Amino acid sequence: EPEVTQTPSHQVTQMGQEVILRCVPISNHLYFYWYRQILGQKVEFLVSFYNNEISEKSEIFDDQFSVERPDGSNFTLKIRSTKLEDSAMYFCASSPDRGAEKLFFGSGTQLSVL
Amino acid sequence: AQSVTQLGSHVSVSEGALVLLRCNYSSSVPPYLFWYVQYPNQGLQLLLKYTSAATLVKGINGFEAEFKKSETSFHLTKPSAHMSDAAEYFCAVSDRGNDMRFGAGTRLTVKP
Repeated sequence: EPEVTQTPSHQVTQMGQEVILRCVPISNHLYFYWYRQILGQKVEFLVSFYNNEISEKSEIFDDQFSVERPDGSNFTLKIRSTKLEDSAMYFCASSPDRGAEKLFFGSGTQLSVL
Repeated sequence: AQSVTQLGSHVSVSEGALVLLRCNYSSSVPPYLFWYVQYPNQGLQLLLKYTSAATLVKGINGFEAEFKKSETSFHLTKPSAHMSDAAEYFCAVSDRGNDMRFGAGTRLTVKP
């Protein structure tokens, strides 16, 4: 069964450092997403990406965040200068077309900012 | 904007007992509704989803949920709990677009 792959599974970084979280969506999918889950809190939408541009973003997704699809397979989330409050589980997801009912989630990257 | 409310952040049942996890939604358009399960140190796994077909939806691991428009509810049930069902469960709603909104989650504990 096809799956969304995220690397690394755990990432530890120092406050102020840049971090890149990587995702390989399912190969024929066209829509890509990032969600995050701060420990003990709900899963929150960050951003959706289609046709090489952001289609929607939440208020959480400020100028410190950026997304990119640098090649035909990877989808990355970059945090420019990490803060302690960026510590969370980050989930990548993809879907073949518009519509959350076809979302497939990756297993997540646990980011710890020290 | 759509939203979901999960009633009870923690539910504890005995093995073999009925599992009932409550979810109420708010949406200005006919919603899509989902239940996800998250086992410790793992990602989100789709249990089941409602996309305007049958109102009683059957999912994996013996779970099912019923969409009740009059009650704006989508409660998750399982007739007989198993120890392996212990996990965090998330209800989510979509307005049929890209945006999915999650509830705060319900932690299910199963006692032997």
